[in-house]
Amino acid sequence: DAKTTQPTSMDCAEGRAANLPCNHSTISGNEYVYWYRQIHSQGPQYIIHGLKNNETNEMASLIITEDRKSSTLILPHATLRDTAVYYCIVAPYTGRRALTFGSGTRLQVQP
Amino acid sequence: EADIYQTPRYLVIGTGKKITLECSQTMGHDKMYWYQQDPGMELHLIHYSYGVNSTEKGDLSSESTVSRIRTEHFPLTLESARPSHTSQYLCASSVPGQPAFFGQGTRLTVV
Repeated sequence: DAKTTQPTSMDCAEGRAANLPCNHSTISGNEYVYWYRQIHSQGPQYIIHGLKNNETNEMASLIITEDRKSSTLILPHATLRDTAVYYCIVAPYTGRRALTFGSGTRLQVQP
Repeated sequence: EADIYQTPRYLVIGTGKKITLECSQTMGHDKMYWYQQDPGMELHLIHYSYGVNSTEKGDLSSESTVSRIRTEHFPLTLESARPSHTSQYLCASSVPGQPAFFGQGTRLTVV
């Protein structure tokens, strides 16, 4: 699976948008971008995934660059409960391999 | 939200004891996974299964064993627990084309 690079940590003010970047310059054509988050060592929670088009759901938006070498997860109105470690993962959509987690970005939402 | 359950949530046990961590899912998912995560560290895949009677070792070597006799059940066993086994164990499941969903984890402490 392609490797991803994320900032170690970020801060965001409560109520503001949180923009979490991810670089995946070696992504291949059949690989999707997945985002998960882990709140205080609970089980990782699925957020969103996409291939090349921008995606939005009730939790977040995913913006993927045209060359697919990077993406940004957007939490439109961050709350204190969004404080977590966010993982960007690249993997084939129907692959037999399990997801490989890196170290992620620790997002701290400040009051 | 995903229906995947892990029991117990917390376990403190003495060295040398045999333990089984339970993981069950009610979604009929073929693929199931066990990850291990030390506090503040990355998740590492230790076992996975693609279906009944299928089990494979993951990326991180583990002294634990798993079985998959029923689709919905994927227990992890440690024959003789040691303090080095102290960690959080996370179970997940998925079907092809869908994101993996995680349980809440079992936090194991071996004293």
